[in-house]
Amino acid sequence: NAGVTQTPKFRILKIGQSMTLQCTQDMNHNYMYWYRQDPGMGLKLIYYSVGAGITDKGEVPNGYNVSRSTTEDFPLRLELAAPSQTSVYFCASSTGLAETQYFGPGTRLLVL
Amino acid sequence: DAKTTQPPSMDCAEGRAANLPCNHSTISGNEYVYWYRQIHSQGPQYIIHGLKNNETNEMASLIITEDRKSSTLILPHATLRDTAVYYCIVRVANTDKLIFGTGTRLQVFP
Repeated sequence: NAGVTQTPKFRILKIGQSMTLQCTQDMNHNYMYWYRQDPGMGLKLIYYSVGAGITDKGEVPNGYNVSRSTTEDFPLRLELAAPSQTSVYFCASSTGLAETQYFGPGTRLLVL
Repeated sequence: DAKTTQPPSMDCAEGRAANLPCNHSTISGNEYVYWYRQIHSQGPQYIIHGLKNNETNEMASLIITEDRKSSTLILPHATLRDTAVYYCIVRVANTDKLIFGTGTRLQVFP
């Protein structure tokens, strides 16, 4: 199993541009999550999903959108990039409530 | 939400035990204590979790006090590869969310 994979690894965006961060897991996990981590800080939950077609907001959802059309994929969309969205983004998945979360390698995003 | 308090940094000599403390004085009876670690620039890695009893696995041991208001993660024989930020997390009751704090930066030195 590849586990949780994320693309791209690194991206530079101009203010106002949009992009989609891809996340795929091959463990057949129902639960998937998006976190962001600012320099020197812990992770903050952006959005999460408990199954295909079901998503919900986390701590810091503003400026982001998600969709979950399949069990495997959970893309994160930035519509109008802002410098405050410069961060490292981690995707994670788990089998269910309170189970261990497995993290991807992260996407480093720089908005200039 | 239960909050956790951890020291910002700790040092440990290679081969010695690393004992990382965590306070969670407002933890509820059905909330678990989780430990994750994050090696530089990588995604967090699960280490161990527990509810009431002490737990041990191939990576570490978790000691939870009887009143559950604090816990200690023990790496029995720290190596240089254990240098990382260690997060103590209390799972929010009735949800699957993990709320990360700023963790403890453990530096293992030769």
